[in-house]
Amino acid sequence: AQKVTQAQTEISVVEKEDVTLDCVYETRDTTYYLFWYKQPPSGELVFLIRRNSFDEQNEISGRYSWNFQKSTSSFNFTITASQVVDSAVYFCALSEREYGNKLVFGAGTILRVKS
Amino acid sequence: ETGVTQSPTHLIKTRGQQVTLRCSSQSGHNTVSWYQQALGQGPQFIFQYYREEENGRGNFPPRFSGLQFPNYSSELNVNALELDDSALYLCASSLGPNQETQYFGPGTRLLVL
Repeated sequence: AQKVTQAQTEISVVEKEDVTLDCVYETRDTTYYLFWYKQPPSGELVFLIRRNSFDEQNEISGRYSWNFQKSTSSFNFTITASQVVDSAVYFCALSEREYGNKLVFGAGTILRVKS
Repeated sequence: ETGVTQSPTHLIKTRGQQVTLRCSSQSGHNTVSWYQQALGQGPQFIFQYYREEENGRGNFPPRFSGLQFPNYSSELNVNALELDDSALYLCASSLGPNQETQYFGPGTRLLVL
């Protein structure tokens, strides 16, 4: 069964704090992709990262970093030195080979960064 | 910006009516997927179109239907609207139908009264 769990419904931090958003997934497939998207108040989903199941290397892009651990079925997202512009809803999503392009999304985590 | 456009941006309909939402894919993309996002929830997959054929469908009734045109743009049609159809409808395009990165448009907010 495909399932993505984002246990943190809402997180509030003060600007410049680091914050980690958790994502846990369930899949029976050995070939799958994991994604993170950002949804600002405007509503458009903005693509952040795509990672395949065979690549467990952590990735860093500016203030963003991702930690993929197959052993715990987790794909966590960390924002370093958060900024007010990071305030948004963040979604983790799973795509399995069997289901082609179908993305299964978590419920999302609302991040509020206060100045 | 992704280059994916959707129209209209907002729409108000009454229960029982029919609605058509439109999506233009990013240049070079031949696959379009549609998602429904209810308030406070993650997007739910409706269906995908690849080379003008439906290529995968989620748990949505047949009154949700779609089309893809030779230029890869797409339409989502919903018949016999229900109050629960009120949501943000998101279109996403990708280079192909197999686990490619999907780039989303700004969405259409549909309110059914």
